[in-house]
Amino acid sequence: NAGVTQTPKFQVLKTGQSMTLQCAQDMNHEYMSWYRQDPGMGLRLIHYSVGAGITDQGEVPNGYNVSRSTTEDFPLRLLSAAPSQTSVYFCASSYGQFYGYTFGSGTRLTVV
Amino acid sequence: AQSVTQLDSHVSVSEGTPVLLRCNYSSSYSPSLFWYVQHPNKGLQLLLKYTSAATLVKGINGFEAEFKKSETSFHLTKPSAHMSDAAEYFCVVSGGLGSQGNLIFGKGTKLSVKP
Repeated sequence: NAGVTQTPKFQVLKTGQSMTLQCAQDMNHEYMSWYRQDPGMGLRLIHYSVGAGITDQGEVPNGYNVSRSTTEDFPLRLLSAAPSQTSVYFCASSYGQFYGYTFGSGTRLTVV
Repeated sequence: AQSVTQLDSHVSVSEGTPVLLRCNYSSSYSPSLFWYVQHPNKGLQLLLKYTSAATLVKGINGFEAEFKKSETSFHLTKPSAHMSDAAEYFCVVSGGLGSQGNLIFGKGTKLSVKP
């Protein structure tokens, strides 16, 4: 089925560990983004990309890295996990700003 | 800069009665506006979008929203609530020129539907 696929769905990390959240889309979308969702905060933009090889920071980029080597994939790396990064992470993709974004089902991350 | 304010954090209605979820926006440019819905422990689904065409926008599941530039509002309505409408709703503005189309989210309105 066409859409945005995120893995894993759940993850528990210890403080200081690193990991990569995977995101893949098969709709040939150029635009891809990562958001985090915290209670009462809505969704906040972490990093985004407007095409392969192009990435930029969003509202809350500290502690996260991204790369975009292909149109399909946009992984999010946590360099050294902290309890403040406990959140639900959503990846999204779009043709562009007038089309709306398609969201993945999310990754629930807990850092202990 | 663009911003979105959802005026109610929680709205409760009875099944079969109208739904009104309020949203005001601020934008330096002609905005693209969206409503997304999130059911518990699920991802976000696009309900409807406004992109400078008709000001009354119809979406899925009987929802609609009206873009009012003079009031900088984009309220979401539905004539008759159903139990399955219970969810969290997000009003979203696209960031406009230079923003690469990134989305700016309101803080959400949780809709409860009583039998």
